Amino acid sequence: DTGVSQDPRHKITKRGQNVTFRCDPISEHNRLYWYRQTLGQGPEFLTYFQNEAQLEKSRLLSDRFSAERPKGSFSTLEIQRTEQGDSAMYLCASSLEGDETQYFGPGTRLLVL
Amino acid sequence: GQNIDQPTEMTATEGAIVQINCTYQTSGFNGLFWYQQHAGEAPTFLSYNVLDGLEEKGRFSSFLSRSKGYSYLLLKELQMKDSASYLCAVNTSGTYKYIFGTGTRLKVLA
Repeated sequence: DTGVSQDPRHKITKRGQNVTFRCDPISEHNRLYWYRQTLGQGPEFLTYFQNEAQLEKSRLLSDRFSAERPKGSFSTLEIQRTEQGDSAMYLCASSLEGDETQYFGPGTRLLVL
Repeated sequence: GQNIDQPTEMTATEGAIVQINCTYQTSGFNGLFWYQQHAGEAPTFLSYNVLDGLEEKGRFSSFLSRSKGYSYLLLKELQMKDSASYLCAVNTSGTYKYIFGTGTRLKVLA
């Protein structure tokens, strides 16, 4: 078990471009979460998957953000038409149903120029 | 609204004990978590409280009072490597959402 992995670790893009991030959770974990964290703040919930079903999505999330978990294993988070305000660390976490502990990946740091 | 409050910064001396407080106001409660986050790294799990009382795990202890909407994290025998941000998070009942506080940045001085 290698823990939660995320790819890429860093991404620099120009405003208006689309970006996609990948998260590979711990293999037996059926719950997967995406968070966004900016400097000096705690992680902000974006969305939650149980297996392949997206069961909750933050109302703060604009329509430019979409996430998938097609086979209930890895997940992708796409941001369309990026804006400078999207610059943040995007964290993925996974957990096993019945165990409330979330295990975080190393994050993808996005910089929008 | 939903709100979690923690002090922004704390300073303590190596070998000492420090208590980091967290108060919360949420729509429902399904457990409170403490995470440690070193600069530039992902949060790592420290403790979980769902019932009132104290949970002890080595040098770290966490306390919960649900009636007061209050928790604290107690760190004993502080070490330099404990310098980090400590995040309080609440799982609200009826949702899968976890709400995090802004974190308390702890500096341990020699």
